[in-house]
Amino acid sequence: DIQMTQSPSSLSASVGDRVTITCQASQDIHNYLNWYQQKPGKAPKLLIYDASNLETGVPSRFSGGGSGTDFTFTISSLQPEDIATYYCQQYINLYTFGQGTRLEIK
Amino acid sequence: EVQLVQSGAEVKKPGESLKISCKGSGYSFSNYWIGWVRQMPGKGLEWMGIIFPGDSDTRYSPSFQGQVTISVDESINTAYLQWSSLKASDTSIYYCARQVKGFDSWGQGTLVTVSS
Repeated sequence: DIQMTQSPSSLSASVGDRVTITCQASQDIHNYLNWYQQKPGKAPKLLIYDASNLETGVPSRFSGGGSGTDFTFTISSLQPEDIATYYCQQYINLYTFGQGTRLEIK
Repeated sequence: EVQLVQSGAEVKKPGESLKISCKGSGYSFSNYWIGWVRQMPGKGLEWMGIIFPGDSDTRYSPSFQGQVTISVDESINTAYLQWSSLKASDTSIYYCARQVKGFDSWGQGTLVTVSS
């Protein structure tokens, strides 16, 4: 099994801050990594696919990077509507989600 | 518009069987994998398995292999997740999702509550 480790598990930031979440895979997954946003009581939403590609309709303040085992997800200027839990997911070998990062407004 | 519509909430007793559904519309249902994801109360996302409606090719997470069965009825654009004997620990929200570049469309979720 491929394990995905996200950090931090929770994060508090102010509106306008730059926020970065990291995701580490237990083995090389090339760029087979996606990022999702889940707001309370809602289904997850795909934001980034193949590590760095923005899904259609997703604001450009969201971005992703990395390859191999180390990946980042960044919000360039945090907005109030970005309050959510964010998950990474590998799909090179079946699928595995990271444990999630809960993002709160300070 | 791509839509996945799941069946409604269920309340079951331990040991009972259950089959929940996920109906796709707005796209060629046969040609895209459909996955199932569990979310236990207050917890994260867990991938359970995935099925290709065109030929019913199915893959399971090792954590869920033998615990659930994923199936599909291509004629009515519907995927299913079923249990033969529910446990209290199966209490969760279950989502279906279409796999393209990532899971790009999701159902609304089905809450399954298992309690004596």
